[in-house]
Amino acid sequence: DTGVSQDPRHKITKRGQNVTFRCDPISEHNRLYWYRQTLGQGPEFLTYFQNEAQLEKSRLLSDRFSAERPKGSFSTLEIQRTEQGDSAMYLCASSLGGQGQETQYFGPGTRLLVL
Amino acid sequence: RKEVEQDPGPFNVPEGATVAFNCTYSNSASQSFFWYRQDCRKEPKLLMSVYSSGNEDGRFTAQLNRASQYISLLIRDSKLSDSATYLCVVNPGNNRKLIWGLGTSLAVNP
Repeated sequence: DTGVSQDPRHKITKRGQNVTFRCDPISEHNRLYWYRQTLGQGPEFLTYFQNEAQLEKSRLLSDRFSAERPKGSFSTLEIQRTEQGDSAMYLCASSLGGQGQETQYFGPGTRLLVL
Repeated sequence: RKEVEQDPGPFNVPEGATVAFNCTYSNSASQSFFWYRQDCRKEPKLLMSVYSSGNEDGRFTAQLNRASQYISLLIRDSKLSDSATYLCVVNPGNNRKLIWGLGTSLAVNP
């Protein structure tokens, strides 16, 4: 499968625990995006990388959220001290950035439930 | 004003109907435009890119109006399987990230 993959697909955790999600982009894609989505809303931008550099982070993102892409390939998104409001679908997308017709391709998402 | 705006709907139409969605964008320098489809509890998937001359893919037609800064998606002869949320995406150019609308919900009824 050469598409974007995410792991795990589902995560249930208790409030206050830390969780980490992984995203493997399409191999030749230099950009990797993280989004959060709740029911009835469009994808909410969290952060994105171009290669290993984190170019932008949403101001809505608290300090409990951190993302890395150490070698410019896979990325991890960590949420520390989870809160019930963090329950959402976390989507990863990749693309060939810097082009006029940049097209994002999404992974299946990680659904997080914080109890 | 939001950078990309869509009517959230829901649009409820009978099978076989023609339905159209619009999406407005605020940045006149935006370079490229897309429509994505998202089924319930699934990830968004690219439906079609939107080209300046307009483009058609089967029952789907996408158009761009740069003067009025909107794009449209027309679905003809709608099917039950077209029920989904349709998301508008804009590339604002200048190497910036893509901007997403909140989506328009469509329900096609038998």
